[in-house]
Amino acid sequence: NAGVTQTPKFQVLKTGQSMTLQCAQDMNHNSMYWYRQDPGMGLRLIYYSASEGTTDKGEVPNGYNVSRLNKREFSLRLESAAPSQTSVYFCASSEAAYSAEQYFGPGTRLTVT
Amino acid sequence: QKEVEQNSGPLSVPEGAIASLNCTYSDRGSQSFFWYRQYSGKSPELIMSIYSNGDKEDGRFTAQLNKASQYVSLLIRDSQPSDSATYLCAVNINDYKLSFGAGTTVTVRA
Repeated sequence: NAGVTQTPKFQVLKTGQSMTLQCAQDMNHNSMYWYRQDPGMGLRLIYYSASEGTTDKGEVPNGYNVSRLNKREFSLRLESAAPSQTSVYFCASSEAAYSAEQYFGPGTRLTVT
Repeated sequence: QKEVEQNSGPLSVPEGAIASLNCTYSDRGSQSFFWYRQYSGKSPELIMSIYSNGDKEDGRFTAQLNKASQYVSLLIRDSQPSDSATYLCAVNINDYKLSFGAGTTVTVRA
């Protein structure tokens, strides 16, 4: 099992460009999450999907959109990248509704210039 | 007030000593508590979960929970250089969402 996979690992964007971060899990988990991690600020939830077909905003959703493509895949889109979105992005998944044990992918390091 | 607060450290301990990490949380309704370990440049890895008051031991790790005081801690016994990492405390704020502390960086010196 690969667990949670993310692509790409690294990305550099210019201000105003768009991109989609991909996430997939092979653990048959129902819930998936996108976080960003910035120095000194810990992990902050951007969006989450409690189950296939549902998505909800987290703590810092502005400037992002998500798609729960199917049970395995959850993508994060930046429509018009800004330098403030320079961060490390982690995707995570958890087994079932009401299970909060989350397992993380390897992360995407994004720089917006 | 932040939902989850940790001492930022860094915490430096000699090899073989006990490292003690503390975490407080603000939501009295929280029921699930987790400790993640994150090596530099890597993703968080779940190492402990605790759901009821008291102690839970797993190898060299012991998690302690006191819901009345809204306090959760992690003890690392017989600390090894491989334990050098940032430790993140996480608390559920509803059924699906976790709130994370900023992390405590631990350095184990040989």
